[in-house]
Amino acid sequence: DAGVIQSPRHEVTEMGQEVTLRCKPISGHNSLFWYRQTMMRGLELLIYFNNNVPIDDSGMPEDRFSAKMPNASFSTLKIQPSEPRDSAVYFCASSSGLEWGVTQYFGPGTRLTVL
Amino acid sequence: KQEVTQIPAALSVPEGENLVLNCSFTDSAIYNLQWFRQDPGKGLTSLLLIQSSQREQTSGRLNASLDKSSGRSTLYIAASQPGDSATYLCAVKGDNQGGKLIFGQGTELSVKP
Repeated sequence: DAGVIQSPRHEVTEMGQEVTLRCKPISGHNSLFWYRQTMMRGLELLIYFNNNVPIDDSGMPEDRFSAKMPNASFSTLKIQPSEPRDSAVYFCASSSGLEWGVTQYFGPGTRLTVL
Repeated sequence: KQEVTQIPAALSVPEGENLVLNCSFTDSAIYNLQWFRQDPGKGLTSLLLIQSSQREQTSGRLNASLDKSSGRSTLYIAASQPGDSATYLCAVKGDNQGGKLIFGQGTELSVKP
């Protein structure tokens, strides 16, 4: 299995531009998670989906952030407009469910730099 | 609100030494606790998952313990090797929180040859 796939791996953009991060979960997994990691705040959950439906988006920092999961094999995280404080590593993870014994598998992350 | 703390933030040891990483959490109502490893520029890899009803889990040279009542977990690494150098994060899944994991800030481990 290829694992969780994220693209791009690195993104450099200017303030005010739209940024779209992409994620392909492990085949057969029905739960998908978006995290953000910074030195100051550590690893934070932004939003997660179960069976393509958003379950908890309380971690999304503000309206500039949006996430979609149009089908079981693809999800996007969009930032519009981007700001320098959005610079971070964004991870996508997937799992075979939300049950208590199920682990999450992480992608390699997208390093976003907003100038 | 659940908070997870890891001490120390960084640790450097000589090869071959046994070591313990600490994790504490403020709300004992958890479903499970996981230890992850993160290599530089990489994603997280799950090492051990302890259910709330369990006291410990072992995998090779790794042993993780859980004391729910005191809100503590430890990750014990035996006979450390340079390849163990990485950041180790613990995360808890709380009751009635669905899939949400709350992470600590991590301990950066360096094992010197």
